[in-house]
Amino acid sequence: ETGVTQTPRHLVMGMTNKKSLKCEQHLGHNAMYWYKQSAKKPLELMFVYSLEERVENNSVPSRFSPECPNSSHLFLHLHTLQPEDSALYLCASSPLAGVGTGELFFGEGSRLTVL
Amino acid sequence: SQQGEEDPQALSIQEGENATMNCSYKTSINNLQWYRQNSGRGLVHLILIRSNEREKHSGRLRVTLDTSKKSSSLLITASRAADTASYFCAPVRWSGNTPLVFGKGTRLSVIA
Repeated sequence: ETGVTQTPRHLVMGMTNKKSLKCEQHLGHNAMYWYKQSAKKPLELMFVYSLEERVENNSVPSRFSPECPNSSHLFLHLHTLQPEDSALYLCASSPLAGVGTGELFFGEGSRLTVL
Repeated sequence: SQQGEEDPQALSIQEGENATMNCSYKTSINNLQWYRQNSGRGLVHLILIRSNEREKHSGRLRVTLDTSKKSSSLLITASRAADTASYFCAPVRWSGNTPLVFGKGTRLSVIA
C-alpha cells in the first residue's frame, strides 16, 4: 500500500468509448503525475500537476484529457482512443514538483486495452 | 530531470547469487534514486543516494555513486525469487518543475 490508489485496475474499451481513469492519493502531496508504460518502451511522462495546476504536458494527443480537481485527485479522461494506446497507465504523487528529493509514490496502475 | 540508462537490459541469476545493475547519466545531479517494478505493477522506491554520498546500504541493497564517472550501481546480495522485477534508476537534478524520467530498466530474473 503506497498511499496512491488507481481505479480501475483493468479497463477494456472500444475505440469510440469514453472512459476515465482515476487516481487518489492520501499522502498530503501537492504534485501528481500520469505516466504511460507501453510494452518494451520506457515510461513516458504524460502530464504533471503541481498545486492543481498543469505544469507539463509532453505533447500528448488531445484524446487524453487530464483533470485535477484538487490536490488529492487526478483523472485521465479517455476519448476515441487507438489500439496503440493500450498500455499500463501509472499515476504518481510527490510532495511538490521540483522540491525535496523528488521521490515519487506510484499507484498500482490501470491496464488499458483498446479494441 | 534527465533519463538514466540501465545496464544490462536483462540479467538472469540463481537464487542466492548477487545481482549487480548499473546506471549511467549525462549531467550533474542532486541525487539518484532506484526503483523496482514487479510485472504489471507500479514502481516502488528502493533507495536514494545524494550527490555527496559514495555508498549507501539498505538491507540487502547496496548502492554506489561515482559522480566523476556519472554512474551508479545497485547490488542486491543473496538474491531471492521475490527479487524478480525490473529495476530503474532516476538521476535527479533540480531545475524548476522537473519530474523523474525513467529509462528502459534492467529486467532481473532470479531462478529458484
